[in-house]
Amino acid sequence: DVKVTQSSRYLVKRTGEKVFLECVQDMDHENMFWYRQDPGLGLRLIYFSYDVKMKEKGDIPEGYSVSREKKERFSLILESASTNQTSMYLCASSFVDSYEQYFGPGTRLTVT
Amino acid sequence: GQNIDQPTEMTATEGAIVQINCTYQTSGFNGLFWYQQHAGEAPTFLSYNVLDGLEEKGRFSSFLSRSKGYSYLLLKELQMKDSASYLCAVRDKDTGRRALTFGSGTRLQVQP
Repeated sequence: DVKVTQSSRYLVKRTGEKVFLECVQDMDHENMFWYRQDPGLGLRLIYFSYDVKMKEKGDIPEGYSVSREKKERFSLILESASTNQTSMYLCASSFVDSYEQYFGPGTRLTVT
Repeated sequence: GQNIDQPTEMTATEGAIVQINCTYQTSGFNGLFWYQQHAGEAPTFLSYNVLDGLEEKGRFSSFLSRSKGYSYLLLKELQMKDSASYLCAVRDKDTGRRALTFGSGTRLQVQP
């Protein structure tokens, strides 16, 4: 079974804090993705990575950065958390050019 | 760019058939995907269409018409456990992106 795990299910942070969200997959997938999901807006792509140390901006990268030092791990960083970054964050992974993405359970982040 | 539309909510009766529609506009089409997401859980892959026609998988079928920019997900013999959100997503060929663009999802409520 493919497994994508995320470091926390629920997280509460204060405005201005630096926040790290970690994602690990165990299927040797080349591609990894970070989405956020908000009511009425669906899943929106923040960043994705197709190889170690490689990254590309998605549709809403502002206020976020990412790191992929190892193939199995993809981190999302909120440099200075703001209340409008309160959301559900979902990580996903896939083989290169595969049509199926596997999602982690999500991290519900609240910024107060 | 891409634009994906699907109804926000639908209600159906246990044992019945329901059709969830999705229309899309994309500059370069390279596949349409349907995902199921139960409340509080990660999305899971249901189906993939890249050519016109119907793909059947058990109680679920997905149809694609590329000329019309249209897809539907057909759920037969509805069960209570089918109550979930159904997400339509497309992959864009022109940008070479491996990521998906998701619609905002259709929340399906199955009633006894």
